[in-house]
Amino acid sequence: EAGVVQSPRYKIIEKKQPVAFWCNPISGHNTLYWYLQNLGQGPELLIRYENEEAVDDSQLPKDRFSAERLKGVDSTLKIQPAELGDSAVYLCASSDRGGLSSYNEQFFGPGTRLTVL
Amino acid sequence: AQRVTQPEKLLSVFKGAPVELKCNYSYSGSPELFWYVQYSRQRLQLLLRHISRESIKGFTADLNKGETSFHLKKPFAQEEDSAMYYCALILGGKLIFGQGTELSVKP
Repeated sequence: EAGVVQSPRYKIIEKKQPVAFWCNPISGHNTLYWYLQNLGQGPELLIRYENEEAVDDSQLPKDRFSAERLKGVDSTLKIQPAELGDSAVYLCASSDRGGLSSYNEQFFGPGTRLTVL
Repeated sequence: AQRVTQPEKLLSVFKGAPVELKCNYSYSGSPELFWYVQYSRQRLQLLLRHISRESIKGFTADLNKGETSFHLKKPFAQEEDSAMYYCALILGGKLIFGQGTELSVKP
């Protein structure tokens, strides 16, 4: 079992350029999460999917960030255009099922480290 | 606002010494709390959750509602415990993480 797969692992771009991150969750996991982790901070949720539906995107800066999970399996997170302050680690996680009153362990990917110059 | 606070960025101890990683939370309901760990060059992973009341790798954490704390403890630290530790609260299916504490166990 490979676990949650993310690519690329590292990305360096110039500001105002677009960038995309890809995540493949653990097979059978319906819930997928994207987190942002700034240096010296804990992860912060950007968006949560239940299958292909975004059930919580309240923390996603929608002016420049977008995400999709078209077939309810893998997902892409995009930033366009990137700003200097977007330099961070972007983590993907998946769990068996989500829910407001239950918790299923979230399994994290290795993350994508983005540097915006 | 619901939040999790870990007051120490870095905690350095010698091997065999007791360890306590502090976590305080702000939440008006009945909290569900977790500790996550990230070893060097590894993924973030669940260490323990308060509901299960189990001991993992010698670590325990007790929920103290009066002090709104969920400190992580281990009586005798090992060098392999060196890692980043994150306390987290679940709210509406969303994990809210603290800032993390780096534990360094010296030989």
